Amino acid sequence: AQSVTQLDSQVPVFEEAPVELRCNYSSSVSVYLFWYVQYPNQGLQLLLKYLSGSTLVKGINGFEAEFNKSQTSFHLRKPSVHISDTAEYFCAVSPLFNAGNMLTFGGGTRLMVKP
Amino acid sequence: DGGITQSPKYLFRKEGQNVTLSCEQNLNHDAMYWYRQDPGQGLRLIYYSQIVNDFQKGDIAEGYSVSREKKESFPLTVTSAQKNPTAFYLCASSISRGGLFWGSNTGELFFGEGSRLTVL
Repeated sequence: AQSVTQLDSQVPVFEEAPVELRCNYSSSVSVYLFWYVQYPNQGLQLLLKYLSGSTLVKGINGFEAEFNKSQTSFHLRKPSVHISDTAEYFCAVSPLFNAGNMLTFGGGTRLMVKP
Repeated sequence: DGGITQSPKYLFRKEGQNVTLSCEQNLNHDAMYWYRQDPGQGLRLIYYSQIVNDFQKGDIAEGYSVSREKKESFPLTVTSAQKNPTAFYLCASSISRGGLFWGSNTGELFFGEGSRLTVL
């Protein structure tokens, strides 16, 4: 089984400042990793994903994440945030080579960008 | 454009009434899911279906029912047995995790826009 921990439930930050949203996971097998974003009263939208290859993954809206296998982390970063980045962000994992297994989500981190 | 359509976007229900939320997808995905979202509690899986005419309970299935008569459709009924039905409901789909073609089966979910149910 897998578990995902998002260490911060809320992250307030000023506009144009950098931000890092933390995600750690636990799994006995190799995993795929995902970050989703949810704007108010909307569904989840894929931000980026790590499947294999380079550990630094670039996504939409200027976000990037780095997979660190030794630390079982997949932290999300953006060098300069905008007001429009205010949303809830979810980290998720799914195991390789396991038929029927689905995404396991973290509890979410609410990013609040202040002017 | 391919995607997932949920309806209605907003729904009000009196206590004791059943209500059905619609979810339709044209992505040709085998698997479909229903999640419930409450403030501060993330996503909780209600039901999922990997193939037509088959579905399994998730973590919080009590008070809910589903059907999967067509590949494209996975409606969720919130019954009067659900004690606290006011929530935001999300439908999702994915390529089935079964089979030999693991390269395309990453478990990635595609979500609809959600339905907000309020019990008066």
